[in-house]
Amino acid sequence: GENVEQHPSTLSVQEGDSAVIKCTYSDSASNYFPWYKQELGKRPQLIIDIRSNVGEKKDQRIAVTLNKTAKHFSLHITETQPEDSAVYFCAASSSGGSYIPTFGRGTSLIVHP
Amino acid sequence: EPEVTQTPSHQVTQMGQEVILRCVPISNHLYFYWYRQILGQKVEFLVSFYNNEISEKSEIFDDQFSVERPDGSNFTLKIRSTKLEDSAMYFCASSDQKASSYEQYFGPGTRLTVT
Repeated sequence: GENVEQHPSTLSVQEGDSAVIKCTYSDSASNYFPWYKQELGKRPQLIIDIRSNVGEKKDQRIAVTLNKTAKHFSLHITETQPEDSAVYFCAASSSGGSYIPTFGRGTSLIVHP
Repeated sequence: EPEVTQTPSHQVTQMGQEVILRCVPISNHLYFYWYRQILGQKVEFLVSFYNNEISEKSEIFDDQFSVERPDGSNFTLKIRSTKLEDSAMYFCASSDQKASSYEQYFGPGTRLTVT
């Protein structure tokens, strides 16, 4: 089955800095890679996703890159704000797996004002 | 914007008791899921449901678990004889899984505490 590794487990940055979270996956059939943000005690919410037919996707301060050859993908947050503080989960899924995501262990991002 | 809803928000039960967690998926969605998140750990897939039957399940989803769609709106997870290690946040999710949309929408979760 799919295995997703996520690093770092915690990330502490100053407001305005950039943050990068990296994930690797094992199943070359995976073709959909969502990122979820989970604030304390709340539901995971999709913030951005990327499919295997593109290498990069951007939405305002958030971007995701995908390297299919190396089987890794990354989340980039620029100009971080305190409200970006949360746990971020990457995931990988494929049509062969009915798009059931395998999640990484999460990264706790702390943005200091 | 439509949302997945779950009840109750918090359930406390004694070990060995049965619990039923309830979910109302987004109305035009066809695929339904249950996930579990033990405190401080990652989200883990339990089961997916489509066309009134289980389509996939994980190793966690053993004989003590069952799912049901008793009517056109509710989707339930039953845990027959709860154990201490069942204490976790349980998330329901739904998706329409059209070719262009793979997003799963999560509910707010039910925190299950087994004492």
